[in-house]
Amino acid sequence: GIQVEQSPPDLILQEGANSTLRCNFSDSVNNLQWFHQNPWGQLINLFYIPSGTKQNGRLSATTVATERYSLLYISSSQTTDSGVYFCAVDLLDMNYGGSQGNLIFGKGTKLSVKP
Amino acid sequence: EAQVTQNPRYLITVTGKKLTVTCSQNMNHEYMSWYRQDPGLGLRQIYYSMNVEVTDKGDVPEGYKVSRKEKRNFPLILESPSPNQTSLYFCASSPLLAGGPNEQFFGPGTRLTVL
Repeated sequence: GIQVEQSPPDLILQEGANSTLRCNFSDSVNNLQWFHQNPWGQLINLFYIPSGTKQNGRLSATTVATERYSLLYISSSQTTDSGVYFCAVDLLDMNYGGSQGNLIFGKGTKLSVKP
Repeated sequence: EAQVTQNPRYLITVTGKKLTVTCSQNMNHEYMSWYRQDPGLGLRQIYYSMNVEVTDKGDVPEGYKVSRKEKRNFPLILESPSPNQTSLYFCASSPLLAGGPNEQFFGPGTRLTVL
């Protein structure tokens, strides 16, 4: 099955620092999403980004589908950015011409931002 | 406010006592699904539904049932819960486009403990 690998697994930052999180995937995908799981367990949508670049405030993401990776950039980090960041992909089914919506999640990057 | 809601948010129950976790979305999405999250295993899809009366198994369907009688609701039923179903459960919904589900939006999660 498709492999989704995220790096680094853990990241500790001082408030105000910038960071880049990486997601590599092993097959062609129909969809790619980035999520933030906060300390209360809620999954917050950050980006829906099967290809291209998007920005939302201090966060931006880039997906290069042909090279099978995606990057999440966090600038000027804040303590509220702490939590686990997940990349999730939805496999492109060549026979179906689309996907079944089964998001395959990476193991996540645990981010701790210190004041 | 566009959202996916789940009830209950927390539940402690005993082995064998039937329970239902409700999921409702107000975005008129065709696609809905259930995931469970376990330490070390990550998030895995249980069941999904492409539309009313259309449901199918995900990666870990054993011990669960679902129904989709209305577009907005997608309840998860545990007929005879066992301790290995202790987990954090998420419901998700998405619009359905030509290539399949699009961006998926997750509910707040239901933390279930089976004693």
